[in-house]
Amino acid sequence: SAVISQKPSRDICQRGTSLTIQCQVDSQVTMMFWYRQQPGQSLTLIATANQGSEATYESGFVIDKFPISRPNLTFSTLTVSNMSPEDSSIYLCSVGEGVGSTEAFFGQGTRLTVV
Amino acid sequence: GENVEQHPSTLSVQEGDSAVIKCTYSDSASNYFPWYKQELGKGPQLIIDIRSNVGEKKDQRIAVTLNKTAKHFSLHITETQPEDSAVYFCAANSGYSTLTFGKGTMLLVSP
Repeated sequence: SAVISQKPSRDICQRGTSLTIQCQVDSQVTMMFWYRQQPGQSLTLIATANQGSEATYESGFVIDKFPISRPNLTFSTLTVSNMSPEDSSIYLCSVGEGVGSTEAFFGQGTRLTVV
Repeated sequence: GENVEQHPSTLSVQEGDSAVIKCTYSDSASNYFPWYKQELGKGPQLIIDIRSNVGEKKDQRIAVTLNKTAKHFSLHITETQPEDSAVYFCAANSGYSTLTFGKGTMLLVSP
């Protein structure tokens, strides 16, 4: 499976600021996704990162709050904008490796604390 | 959309015992059911999966069963070891590589 690297691994941020999280994959992948895992909770899909076009957001998530870029088949970024303590979560990058593939693999995650 | 229920939320067993975690799903169109293990401070790791054309799959001490009619699937871990202690998530696909997760089961294996 692909090796997925996320940066930063953790950060503590002031409310009102923004943080950009990077996801780098060691091979080209068709699908890239961003998930949020709130403390002690399950994983919730934020959006599908589409290469060369706007991301597809799930209900409850909007582009102004979570802008996403995907300039190529190996890299994506998620920005958490105008942060509040409620945004404290683990943010996870996930990839699906081929057209029609259903397997999804995850990076190590970015643990964000907003103070 | 898909809804996945997972039970129990916590499970404590003695080393060597078996552990069973159960999940149900709502969308009959789902055809892929993975299980992930998440250790503290790490991302979820895919440990086993099953597709809707198969009723059971085994990988050493881990097995997964699927009942499509009842829309439920289960994870079975035999001969548990302390290193099996982690949070386990079941999931069902809502599209290509898009997953809906259960709420997780914290498994504690005591020596």
